Amino acid sequence: KQEVTQIPAALSVPEGENLVLNCSFTDSAIYNLQWFRQDPGKGLTSLLLIQSSQREQTSGRLNASLDKSSGRSTLYIAASQPGDSATYLCAVNSGSARQLTFGSGTQLTVLP
Amino acid sequence: DTAVSQTPKYLVTQMGNDKSIKCEQNLGHDTMYWYKQDSKKFLKIMFSYNNKELIINETVPNRFSPKSPDKAHLNLHINSLELGDSAVYFCASSPWSSPGPIYYEQYFGPGTRLTVT
Repeated sequence: KQEVTQIPAALSVPEGENLVLNCSFTDSAIYNLQWFRQDPGKGLTSLLLIQSSQREQTSGRLNASLDKSSGRSTLYIAASQPGDSATYLCAVNSGSARQLTFGSGTQLTVLP
Repeated sequence: DTAVSQTPKYLVTQMGNDKSIKCEQNLGHDTMYWYKQDSKKFLKIMFSYNNKELIINETVPNRFSPKSPDKAHLNLHINSLELGDSAVYFCASSPWSSPGPIYYEQYFGPGTRLTVT
């Protein structure tokens, strides 16, 4: 059964810093991996999707990498801003129903 | 143009009541899902339907009954609501097959916050 772990659970950084969020998963037989952002009391915003055959994806200041063989993904945020403060969720798409298995999230606070 | 919509957005009800949450997608996707986000913010799959057929039921109490009248709709009916059912319920959809590279990106609705008192 797929399990997804995110480290750290919480992170606080000063504005302008580059940072890395980590995600690991137990079963490498995946279709893809999605990174989401969730603001308090809000829904999920999809940030990046990496297909199983890809190594990385970039969108603006965000870069996500995938190492399927080792069961790891990272989300790199460059030049962080207070508006980046949110919970970041990693979700792995696998299984017969192609369902998402979510990590417990990293709560990011960017201090002005 | 809302891709995945859910109604209601908020639902407050008493223990023992029966309630329904509706989900609709206009993306032409074959597969729809229900996820539950508990008080600790952990998201977990509940059900998945492909072309109106149930393909996954993740140990959810049988008080929860999903119904898919057509490919674009997946409703969630909950009988005899309990305090522990309080959570945010997210609907999602994705294509089942792709003519090109495998993609299967899931698109989420805004969520329904259920509070049972």
